[in-house]
Formats: sequence, structure tokens, C-alpha cells
Amino acid sequence: DAGVTQSPTHLIKTRGQHVTLRCSPISGHKSVSWYQQVLGQGPQFIFQYYEKEERGRGNFPDRFSARQFPNYSSELNVNALLLGDSALYLCASSFRAEQFFGPGTRLTVL
Amino acid sequence: AQRVTQPEKLLSVFKGAPVELKCNYSYSGSPELFWYVQYSRQRLQLLLRHISRESIKGFTADLNKGETSFHLKKPFAQEEDSAMYYCALSDSSNTGKLIFGQGTTLQVKP
Repeated sequence: DAGVTQSPTHLIKTRGQHVTLRCSPISGHKSVSWYQQVLGQGPQFIFQYYEKEERGRGNFPDRFSARQFPNYSSELNVNALLLGDSALYLCASSFRAEQFFGPGTRLTVL
Repeated sequence: AQRVTQPEKLLSVFKGAPVELKCNYSYSGSPELFWYVQYSRQRLQLLLRHISRESIKGFTADLNKGETSFHLKKPFAQEEDSAMYYCALSDSSNTGKLIFGQGTTLQVKP
């Protein structure tokens, strides 16, 4: 198993655009969490999904949304991008309360 | 408010010296505490969790509820310990939410 995978690795968008980030969990993991990591800070929780249901949401505006598919993969969507959305977006899948992180997607908003 | 504080952004020691990475938390209930590590060009990974009471790669951490601390210690630092270390707290809400500190870069000099 390659571990948690995320795509794309990097992307550049302009203000006002929309972006979709993708995550595939480790096989057998049914829970996926998303985090935003701004340069110089620790990861900040955005969402957790379990069995396609949202179980937790961090302090992020409604421009951020996510969903989980029947195969447990997940998408994070961000609308109306702002410069401040530039960050590394991490996905983690969980098994027995341990979270396994992907390599992240580096989003740059110009 | 739930918060994790890592007061040092950078800790620099010589090989063979003892290491203590500080972590303080603010949480009203019974938290679960973790240390995550990120080596250069690798993904974030779990180092240890307080409930397992294990020693991983020579590191230990003891939860001190009185001082609300969860400091990470190693008696003799090795060059391969150089990495970014994050302390994290998981609440009991079963949302999978991890609250991270800002991280401490450990630099072990030869």
C-alpha cells in the first residue's frame, strides 16, 4: 500500500477561482480528515468524514466544503479563493484513532 | 479554548546531548496527546501517543496533568533526529480533530 495519496501535488490558482483537491485513504480506512497548514504553523483541522458523513468541522468559512465517496476517497473544495488560502493541504486517513497523513497538496493563490 | 503551545520554534543541540521539546496544552476534559514528526522531504508521521506509554526511537513523553504538559525527551540526541516535531491534542468528541502546536525544529549538530 502506498499510504495516503493526494492529488495534485502542486497547483496555482488566481483569486476568485475554485479548486478541488483529492485524497485516497489507506485501504481499509473509512475515515478521512483534512487539514490546512500555513507556512510556519502547525496543521489546522478543516473536516473529518466517516462512512461518507461529516463528523467534524473546524473554524473555516462556508467556502470550504468536502465530501467522501463510497470507496472512501474524498474531495476538498474551496470556492472564491483568497490569497490567504495559499497553504499546504493535508489529508489523513484514520484507523483506531491513529491518523496517517498524505504528502499534501501545495496550493498557491495569486 | 483548546490550545497546544510549543514555545520553541528552534532547538539546536549537539549529538549526544539530551533533548527536551516542550509542549503545553489547554483543555478542560481528558485529552489524548500525541507527538508527530516530519523528517526532511517526508510526510508527517506519528512518533508516539501518551496512552501507549512507549519509547519510540529513544523518545519518551509523559503526560503531566497538573502542569498540563507533554514534553518530549531523549537522553542522547542523534543526527537523524533532526526534524520538525509537532505536539497535538485530540479531544474526546470523536470527530477525529487534532489540534496541533506550531512545531519545533530540532537541529542536531555533529
